[in-house]
Amino acid sequence: DTGVSQDPRHKITKRGQNVTFRCDPISEHNRLYWYRQTLGQGPEFLTYFQNEAQLEKSRLLSDRFSAERPKGSFSTLEIQRTEQGDSAMYLCASSFMAGNFHEQYFGPGTRLTVT
Amino acid sequence: AQTVTQSQPEMSVQEAETVTLSCTYDTSESDYYLFWYKQPPSRQMILVIRQEAYKQQNATENRFSVNFQKAAKSFSLKISDSQLGDAAMYFCAYRSETSGNTPLVFGKGTRLSVIA
Repeated sequence: DTGVSQDPRHKITKRGQNVTFRCDPISEHNRLYWYRQTLGQGPEFLTYFQNEAQLEKSRLLSDRFSAERPKGSFSTLEIQRTEQGDSAMYLCASSFMAGNFHEQYFGPGTRLTVT
Repeated sequence: AQTVTQSQPEMSVQEAETVTLSCTYDTSESDYYLFWYKQPPSRQMILVIRQEAYKQQNATENRFSVNFQKAAKSFSLKISDSQLGDAAMYFCAYRSETSGNTPLVFGKGTRLSVIA
């Protein structure tokens, strides 16, 4: 088990460009979460999937953001027309839903800088 | 909406000493989990300890223990025999079990420094 992986680890882009991040969860994990963490803050929930179904989206997820999880495996998070306010660490986590408790395992994150 | 508050932006402790990190939360629900996560510099977040709200007994994991006061909505983390490797950001987090909503709600974190 290699843990949750995210790619790229760092991304620098110019305002107005589109970016896409990838998250590979722990195999067999059926739930996948995206969080955003800005400097000096704790992670904030963006969206989550159970298998391929996107079950919840935060109000933080504007129309410029879209997430997918085709076939219930890896997930992508795309930000269109990036803004400087999008600069943050984007964290992915996965869990296996079984019983009452399902620990979320976090990836190393993708740090986005919008110039 | 649930909120989590960590009132100590930074804390420091001498190596081998004990430190307590504070966390309070606000919820109207009765069924939930509370967590402490550790985020070392440039490394991924890992779970330190969890507490089920229905359990009265405080959780313990080796040198880490919690003081869970449900009525006061308080959930502090005690680190005993602090080690240099304990230096990190610590986040308190809440997860509802009532509505089936599973995303975590985090506090702003406490940066812990360990002094040799």
